Amino acid sequence: GAVVSQHPSWVICKSGTSVKIECRSLDFQATTMFWYRQFPKQSLMLMATSNEGSKATYEQGVEKDKFLINHASLTLSTLTVTSAHPEDSSFYICSASKGEPYEQYFGPGTRLTVT
Amino acid sequence: GQNIDQPTEMTATEGAIVQINCTYQTSGFNGLFWYQQHAGEAPTFLSYNVLDGLEEKGRFSSFLSRSKGYSYLLLKELQMKDSASYLCAPMDSNYQLIWGAGTKLIIKP
Repeated sequence: GAVVSQHPSWVICKSGTSVKIECRSLDFQATTMFWYRQFPKQSLMLMATSNEGSKATYEQGVEKDKFLINHASLTLSTLTVTSAHPEDSSFYICSASKGEPYEQYFGPGTRLTVT
Repeated sequence: GQNIDQPTEMTATEGAIVQINCTYQTSGFNGLFWYQQHAGEAPTFLSYNVLDGLEEKGRFSSFLSRSKGYSYLLLKELQMKDSASYLCAPMDSNYQLIWGAGTKLIIKP
């Protein structure tokens, strides 16, 4: 059990457009979902933490108006990258937790390329 | 501040044993996770330690010493598919995982 899916797995978009990434917990209810970004050969960088029905908590330096997070249900969270720029090109990974011991189950990731 | 220290890269031979060390400093502590991440993929869970001692799971074992802020991941009977990055991630008092850059493990035939 504890499967997390992400869609799309990869996306190419033009600069200035918006892209939505979906994260779903398929066989459990996620009390908390996390969004990460990872640049090549670098560590995972937490962008935000979200709980169902409440506003996401963004990490310092992450623009909340640019990276919109919606956690509509216990099984679905979405990340929208608004007005994307080439520097937003990265590997975006979501994870979900179902409570104690708070292990995070990761989705397969979404590779975003902004041209 | 919060900090994780792991070797950047290690090389080992197929069939051998390798130990990846991790020292950490966190604000509070709620256990430590080890994840495996293959290039271009998301991390996958390997182990979780919250009490001192050794947890064994097949070819992989993980050890924790809370008083020393130290953990290690032991991989036995190495296989080529074990070539990956290994991430040590302690959990702080807010139940946030703290991530370092991980250790890239290269397995040679």
